[in-house]
Amino acid sequence: KQEVTQIPAALSVPEGENLVLNCSFTDSAIYNLQWFRQDPGKGLTSLLLIQSSQREQTSGRLNASLDKSSGRSTLYIAASQPGDSATYLCAVFYGGATNKLIFGTGTLLAVQP
Amino acid sequence: KAGVTQTPRYLIKTRGQQVTLSCSPISGHRSVSWYQQTPGQGLQFLFEYFSETQRNKGNFPGRFSGRQFSNSRSEMNVSTLELGDSALYLCASRLGGGYEQYFGPGTRLTVT
Repeated sequence: KQEVTQIPAALSVPEGENLVLNCSFTDSAIYNLQWFRQDPGKGLTSLLLIQSSQREQTSGRLNASLDKSSGRSTLYIAASQPGDSATYLCAVFYGGATNKLIFGTGTLLAVQP
Repeated sequence: KAGVTQTPRYLIKTRGQQVTLSCSPISGHRSVSWYQQTPGQGLQFLFEYFSETQRNKGNFPGRFSGRQFSNSRSEMNVSTLELGDSALYLCASRLGGGYEQYFGPGTRLTVT
């Protein structure tokens, strides 16, 4: 069964800290992996997309890595700010017969000023 | 370029009624997917449409249905509403298979 797990479920850090969010997936035959951010009651904002052939992607203070063989991805946030507070979701896209995004349960991040 | 739009944003219905939600994808995107988000189940895939054809379907009862029009706009219909259908319904569009997905703001459906 294709499952995506995110650890930790919740995280609280003081402003300025660097932090790492983890995502693991059971089936390594992924097409790509996407990290999203969701603010309370809102839709999802795409942060980074990593294709299966890539090892990492960077956007500003965000860096996402992908290790297909171990079924893991990490999202690194540098110099965290209160505005980074949100739920972060990892989603894996499987092609072929699956042909859909499978989401993790998310990490709720609170950055304290 | 305008993002994915969904209407209405909020909806309150009574058990047994039916509801139709609408999604307009980003211009040029031919694929539209629908997801249901609840606190207990998280984000679950409902179905995907590409060029007016349903390409994939999640594990939901037949009360959930959808369609896509020639301009790529999509509608989702839920008949005989149940309390458990209360959720945030999210629509996402993309150019095609394997491309980045962009989500709309969602429709918050409350069934009383």
